[in-house]
Parts: sequence; structure tokens; C-alpha cells
Amino acid sequence: GAVVSQHPSWVICKSGTSVKIECRSLDFQATTMFWYRQFPKQSLMLMATSNEGSKATYEQGVEKDKFLINHASLTLSTLTVTSAHPEDSSFYICSAYTTGQETQYFGPGTRLLVL
Amino acid sequence: QQQVKQSPQSLIVQKGGIPIINCAYENTAFDYFPWYQQFPGKGPALLIAIRPDVSEKKEGRFTISFNKSAKQFSLHIMDSQPGDSATYFCAAGAQKLVFGQGTRLTINP
Repeated sequence: GAVVSQHPSWVICKSGTSVKIECRSLDFQATTMFWYRQFPKQSLMLMATSNEGSKATYEQGVEKDKFLINHASLTLSTLTVTSAHPEDSSFYICSAYTTGQETQYFGPGTRLLVL
Repeated sequence: QQQVKQSPQSLIVQKGGIPIINCAYENTAFDYFPWYQQFPGKGPALLIAIRPDVSEKKEGRFTISFNKSAKQFSLHIMDSQPGDSATYFCAAGAQKLVFGQGTRLTINP
């Protein structure tokens, strides 16, 4: 149980284009999902917290117009990187919080490369 | 007050040894302390977690020791194996987590 999927697992795009990443909780409902960014050999940096049906809460320094988050249902959250630039290249990881076990379960991550 | 400090940054242990990774937190409101294991190119996987009402929790070869007064907690891996070689992250918080910097663990055969 507690499986979280992400799609796509990797994506290469041209500078200026937008990229959408999906995060799904497969066998449980998640009222809250988190989006993280991880640079090579570094820790996870929380970008935003999304609650189903409401606007996401962004961490300080994260541009909300750049990283659009939608939490459309209790099993799906999406992150859209708008007008991507090479500096947005990173490993993006989502997690889903289950109130039943009161813990975060992580997806496998999406590697984004912007050329 | 939101920091979680993790040490060491890297650790090399012989097979069968007991690596120990330490974390310290500042915020006394934190009430959930998980450890995650991450392999290269993969998302973190929950390994074991503890709440402040107990001082130790053991699951298989993994043990968390928790010292509430010192605001510290640690991960011990018994009978370590080469397959345990990974990066380990401690975290602290409640629903929202603050992560430590990570420890790159290598278990030599």
C-alpha cells in the first residue's frame, strides 16, 4: 500500500516551453500533497504544499507564477513549470500525505532537463 | 528554528558493521521524526519513523533512538549489507517536514 506515482519519469524540453508533471496516490486518498525539488547530491527542498480544492501554499523564494500547482482531486496533483529555462533543470519529487498513517509517501521523481 | 542538522555527510562501513547517523532539531513543536532511504535517481522511501512519546523504535535491522531533552535522534543499521548503500535523510515536523542534509552511506563488502 501507500504507492505514489509520477509521470513522466523524465522529460527534456526546449527553453520557453511549459512542462506538466503529474503526481498520483494510487491506493489511498491524499488531502495534502507536497512538491519538492532536489539538486544533485543535495537534500530535498520543499517548494509548495497543495491541499485538495484549494490554492497551493508556496515556500519563500518559490515563484508561484512559475510553478503552477493544481490539486484537482484527492488522488491527483499537478506541477506545471511554465516558460522553463535551463536553471529549472532538476529532479522534482512529489509526496502524498495520508492522515491514516500520518506520514508522507514519496513518488519516484521526475527528472527535468531544459535545453 | 526550522533547521534539522544531520551528520556525518558521508560514512563508509564494512559489511556487518553498524553505521550510525545523527540528527538534531530545534523546533520543540516537531512531533514526527522519519528516516528516508534514497537510491540514485529514485524518490525517497520511508524507512522507519518515531514519535516523541517513545525513546526507541526498532523495525528489522533499523533502529531509531530518540532523545527528547537533547532534541536529537539517530538511525542505527544492524548487520549492514552492501545493498544498504544509499543516501539517508532524517526529517522532522508534523504534516510538513524539514529534511536534514543527507548522509551518503557506503557499505563495503
